[in-house]
Amino acid sequence: GDSVTQMEGPVTLSEEAFLTINCTYTATGYPSLFWYVQYPGEGLQLLLKATKADDKGSNKGFEATYRKETTSFHLEKGSVQVSDSAVYFCALSNVNGQNFVFGPGTRLSVLP
Amino acid sequence: DTGVSQDPRHKITKRGQNVTFRCDPISEHNRLYWYRQTLGQGPEFLTYFQNEAQLEKSRLLSDRFSAERPKGSFSTLEIQRTEQGDSAMYLCASSLSLLTDTQYFGPGTRLTVL
Repeated sequence: GDSVTQMEGPVTLSEEAFLTINCTYTATGYPSLFWYVQYPGEGLQLLLKATKADDKGSNKGFEATYRKETTSFHLEKGSVQVSDSAVYFCALSNVNGQNFVFGPGTRLSVLP
Repeated sequence: DTGVSQDPRHKITKRGQNVTFRCDPISEHNRLYWYRQTLGQGPEFLTYFQNEAQLEKSRLLSDRFSAERPKGSFSTLEIQRTEQGDSAMYLCASSLSLLTDTQYFGPGTRLTVL
């Protein structure tokens, strides 16, 4: 079945550091890819998405590019802030598979 | 703000009891999803509705679980004869009509089975 793999956390960075959180997927067909974020004490919310190969999703300084050749959707940010501390989930949706699959999440802590 | 709401936020029950959770989606959203999330894991898909029709159910959804969405509005998730392994956060989300549409999540109902 469809699956999503993320780099294991926790990830701890200093403020203004560069962030990469790796995400790879296995899916039949052409899934859509998402990054969701969960801030402390809050519910899941969409960060960005890409619906076809080579699309780049971006929001709040975060970016991720849908790479079909490497089945990846890595999340990047050039300069993280303390307020970016959260758990980040990579996910896919696929009409051919399990409908909606989340990765296990990566906890990010940004220190001042 | 008329986001997705869930009730109750917390439920503690004894093994073998039945529990029911409610989800109120964003009013114009046709799709409604239920997920289960355990500590340190991502949400696991349970089932979803397109309006009042339940279109897909995960293998995780045993016979003890049932979900309804009468009239395509709010939804309920019932767990019968609860087991300790049912302890988890139960999340509801809603979206417009496409799989590519953003899902908006509720705050969840945390279930503890003693």
